[in-house]
Amino acid sequence: KNQVEQSPQSLIILEGKNCTLQCNYTVSPFSNLRWYKQDTGRGPVSLTIMTFSENTKSNGRYTATLDADTKQSSLHITASQLSDSASYICVVSLPSGGSYIPTFGRGTSLIVHP
Amino acid sequence: NAGVTQTPKFRILKIGQSMTLQCAQDMNHNYMYWYRQDPGMGLKLIYYSVGAGITDKGEVPNGYNVSRSTTEDFPLRLELAAPSQTSVYFCASSQETSGPNEQFFGPGTRLTVL
Repeated sequence: KNQVEQSPQSLIILEGKNCTLQCNYTVSPFSNLRWYKQDTGRGPVSLTIMTFSENTKSNGRYTATLDADTKQSSLHITASQLSDSASYICVVSLPSGGSYIPTFGRGTSLIVHP
Repeated sequence: NAGVTQTPKFRILKIGQSMTLQCAQDMNHNYMYWYRQDPGMGLKLIYYSVGAGITDKGEVPNGYNVSRSTTEDFPLRLELAAPSQTSVYFCASSQETSGPNEQFFGPGTRLTVL
């Protein structure tokens, strides 16, 4: 079982609408939880980074929340734009031999229609 | 700063051939990583390095080798290419692994093994 599960697998919304993507992780402790945006054919780009003690972090129209008790994180996108069409990836950095190694979810594919 | 650069962008190999994927970063980051991304799957860690001269296996190291002779460069070697190694390969770097530490990704190398 993947240690980082994301839902939904894919999502289609209309331009201007809001949406929320979910991330559940099964292990702790962890160093940080990140959300990345990956455009087709490109490398992932960081949107938000939260340490285990943070509850929320915003980056423009993107707001990430973290509930360490339920081991859940969400990414809320406000007033979606066509350029938001991409894959959104949740990443949890887990301890491994003195370092913290990022573990990636499979991503949620978001399509924004005009 | 160029950030993280990867070469080549695309490559087609025949079964049994070998090649080296190049990765370089100019941010003086200690940590560097190699990932592969198969269609519809999350990024899988192949190898990582915590500094020059130090490398360690990730989740899927079989069939690959790495070296880290300098802080800047982290090449990935495929000795006997197999169709299962058809994937998109991403190199990344970060200053640290703990705390609110950001990972920077290169543009990727798309490899096809026929």
